Amino acid sequence: GQNIDQPTEMTATEGAIVQINCTYQTSGFNGLFWYQQHAGEAPTFLSYNVLDGLEEKGRFSSFLSRSKGYSYLLLKELQMKDSASYLCAVAGSGGSYIPTFGRGTSLIVHP
Amino acid sequence: GAGVSQSPSNKVTEKGKDVELRCDPISGHTALYWYRQSLGQGLEFLIYFQGNSAPDKSGLPSDRFSAERTGGSVSTLTIQRTQQEDSAVYLCASSLGDSRHQPQHFGDGTRLSIL
Repeated sequence: GQNIDQPTEMTATEGAIVQINCTYQTSGFNGLFWYQQHAGEAPTFLSYNVLDGLEEKGRFSSFLSRSKGYSYLLLKELQMKDSASYLCAVAGSGGSYIPTFGRGTSLIVHP
Repeated sequence: GAGVSQSPSNKVTEKGKDVELRCDPISGHTALYWYRQSLGQGLEFLIYFQGNSAPDKSGLPSDRFSAERTGGSVSTLTIQRTQQEDSAVYLCASSLGDSRHQPQHFGDGTRLSIL
């Protein structure tokens, strides 16, 4: 089976940097996704990591350590519009690549 | 370019009734997924279609739930004899091929409320 853990909620200040962690225990690994979901809206793709290291994309970066079963999403220069839920998802194994999602981290950015 | 389209956006029905939820994926996407999301919960996988292969139904919570995908495109999720615990947002997603490295594109979901 798959187990994915993320903090339930985080708060941060506009302009600051925040790191959202995700740990996973899976029987196999075929990559890790981060999605952003604003309240009442569909999740949208942010990043994909399959190799160890940091992937940078504008204000957002994602890091993966496969040996530690650990990833983080780093958001820089926070804006109010970054207030959303951030979902970590691990692509499955055993011939099926169906992603398993964590419960998401609700990020609240305040002025 | 159209994204994933789901209908209806909201559905309110009485306990015991059957409901049908529709998903129109992005053209050319061979993989289609159904998830449901309850308040404060993560996305719960329901069913997966890939091309002409037999669907992976391992996430369907009971035999009241079924889904089909006609012509490799539009999909319908059917819930028979609805129960109050079926109340949730039902999300559909599609992707190019399998999801190993292809991101999923989600529709806005159907918010289902069972009275």
